[in-house]
Amino acid sequence: DTGVSQDPRHKITKRGQNVTFRCDPISEHNRLYWYRQTLGQGPEFLTYFQNEAQLEKSRLLSDRFSAERPKGSFSTLEIQRTEQGDSAMYLCASSLGGMANEKLFFGSGTQLSVL
Amino acid sequence: QQQVKQSPQSLIVQKGGIPIINCAYENTAFDYFPWYQQFPGKGPALLIAIRPDVSEKKEGRFTISFNKSAKQFSLHIMDSQPGDSATYFCAASKSGGYQKVTFGTGTKLQVIP
Repeated sequence: DTGVSQDPRHKITKRGQNVTFRCDPISEHNRLYWYRQTLGQGPEFLTYFQNEAQLEKSRLLSDRFSAERPKGSFSTLEIQRTEQGDSAMYLCASSLGGMANEKLFFGSGTQLSVL
Repeated sequence: QQQVKQSPQSLIVQKGGIPIINCAYENTAFDYFPWYQQFPGKGPALLIAIRPDVSEKKEGRFTISFNKSAKQFSLHIMDSQPGDSATYFCAASKSGGYQKVTFGTGTKLQVIP
């Protein structure tokens, strides 16, 4: 169990630029999630994948956001035309679905700062 | 709409003290209540969880108390240590499906030696 890995750990960008984050879940986990955490708040659900299928998207995920999980392995989250309000910690989590006490394992996140 | 309310926002206790963090939820469809611990620069990590069919659960120094009728639950940390200094989040979700978790706003705990 090598844990959930996220890259990059930090990203500074200018408003209007596009950014892409990567998440590598725990290898045997079939479920993958993206959450967003702003300063002083708890994480908020953004989207969920079961294998390669994106099964739910939060209304927080505007059309500038797109997430993919090709082949049900790693996932990417892209933000187009970034805005200052996008500044946050983007957390990826994974889990093994179907377990009685399914546990979420979070990565250390990508801290995005939009200038 | 904040579905899980958490208090206090911050807490300072001396080593050996018993910090208590309280949460309340609104959605009666929630039936799984985990607590997460987060250190600076890290993602949240599951600490302990409870389902509403029990009123208390203990794991090591951590205890969850659950009051279904009041829709409230709390975390107690026995014999707190400086290494427990972290931000704690209560959370809630519906079991039987994927982990769409609703988090509280967090409590920053500082344990003074």
